[in-house]
Amino acid sequence: EIVMTQSPATLSVSPGERATLSCRASQSVSSNLAWYQQKPGQAPRLLIYGASTRATGIPARFSGSGSGTEFTLTISSLQSEDFAVYYCQQYNNWPAFGPGTKVDIK
Amino acid sequence: QLQLQESGPGLVKPSETLSLTCTVSGGSISSSSYYWGWIRQPPGKGLEWIGSIYYSGSTYYNPSLKSRVTISVDTSKNQFSLKLSSVTAADTAVYYCARHDIVATIFGSWGQGTLVTVSS
Repeated sequence: EIVMTQSPATLSVSPGERATLSCRASQSVSSNLAWYQQKPGQAPRLLIYGASTRATGIPARFSGSGSGTEFTLTISSLQSEDFAVYYCQQYNNWPAFGPGTKVDIK
Repeated sequence: QLQLQESGPGLVKPSETLSLTCTVSGGSISSSSYYWGWIRQPPGKGLEWIGSIYYSGSTYYNPSLKSRVTISVDTSKNQFSLKLSSVTAADTAVYYCARHDIVATIFGSWGQGTLVTVSS
């Protein structure tokens, strides 16, 4: 079983600032890593797959990097609509999600 | 535009079977390119994949839930369904249906989710 961890649990950021979220896998998942954004009362939305490929319609301020066991989601300049919870998910074998990072307003 | 909609009872008694259906519109569940899956999220907690099904009926499940889960498909109705047996309060969650590619379990389209509470 691959266990996903995310840090920090909560990230307080001011609008316009950069946010860097981390995700770690307990064993290598190659580049089989996706990121999702979830707002209160909504379903998750796919942001990134293949560790670094933006999904259709996702703004360029969202970028992903990493491979193996260490991954990063960067939001270059936070907009008001970006305050949400972000989950990473590996799909190297049966899918598993991380516990999430909440990005809130500083 | 693809839409997925979950339906089913919002309250289930402990030890009984939870049953949900996902109706797909704006696309065919018989597409050879996709699997159809269930994911759940306990209140205030993270996401857990339950299992997935192909239109042919081929399934794969989360090993931690496999003994209690059955996912089936009805291509004539463009629907797929989830049954989770012997439920406890720990199964209280928002249940989402979603679509993912056959090559990789990347959930690109989701239903809005439905809250199922397990309580007597």
